[in-house]
Amino acid sequence: DADVTQTPRNRITKTGKRIMLECSQTKGHDRMYWYRQDPGLGLRLIYYSFDVKDINKGEISDGYSVSRQAQAKFSLSLESAIPNQTALYFCATSDLRIGAYSNIGFGQPQHFGDGTRLSIL
Amino acid sequence: QKEVEQNSGPLSVPEGAIASLNCTYSDRGSQSFFWYRQYSGKSPELIMSIYSNGDKEDGRFTAQLNKASQYVSLLIRDSQPSDSATYLCAVKDQGGKLIFGQGTELSVKP
Repeated sequence: DADVTQTPRNRITKTGKRIMLECSQTKGHDRMYWYRQDPGLGLRLIYYSFDVKDINKGEISDGYSVSRQAQAKFSLSLESAIPNQTALYFCATSDLRIGAYSNIGFGQPQHFGDGTRLSIL
Repeated sequence: QKEVEQNSGPLSVPEGAIASLNCTYSDRGSQSFFWYRQYSGKSPELIMSIYSNGDKEDGRFTAQLNKASQYVSLLIRDSQPSDSATYLCAVKDQGGKLIFGQGTELSVKP
């Protein structure tokens, strides 16, 4: 089984619909992230969470909301989907460790789920 | 100016050649630098990390960092068709956020 699982893998929906993308992980990491990827723009951070009680906005949070239901689960919602939210969405996790990789903020490199391809018509 | 810049490519090299991928960043206080490989339709996977000036080698991959010039590169020796992918440079800024470049598409021709 994948360490970071995203559901659904593909979704086509209509403008104005509410959509939820779910992410679960078995890596035991405290930190979870949602990114979107658009052609030619790389990965952009939407929201991130350092633990169950912590939610932070990223670079492009407008139009999105998140919920951290448990250490292992982090969901992303589009309250009223619009066509320019059509993109590939990735969930990622990272671990906070003391040592060579320790830092404030995001800690060591991130592990990604397989992505959700979302199309909004 | 983008915070992390890469040439979008595509960069085409013949099999067996050295592929050189470049990345510049704007936050002079950045301390951590990463290269991810992303095959078409797949998720990014970490292939190299580098934290100190100089070179870091791992198999056919060498990461090079020059903090004074705010420049990080990835060299792939003996390039193989299986190396054909998009390579993402990521830089952790002083605030702790991981900033990604737009990626460079590499094509290795047999």
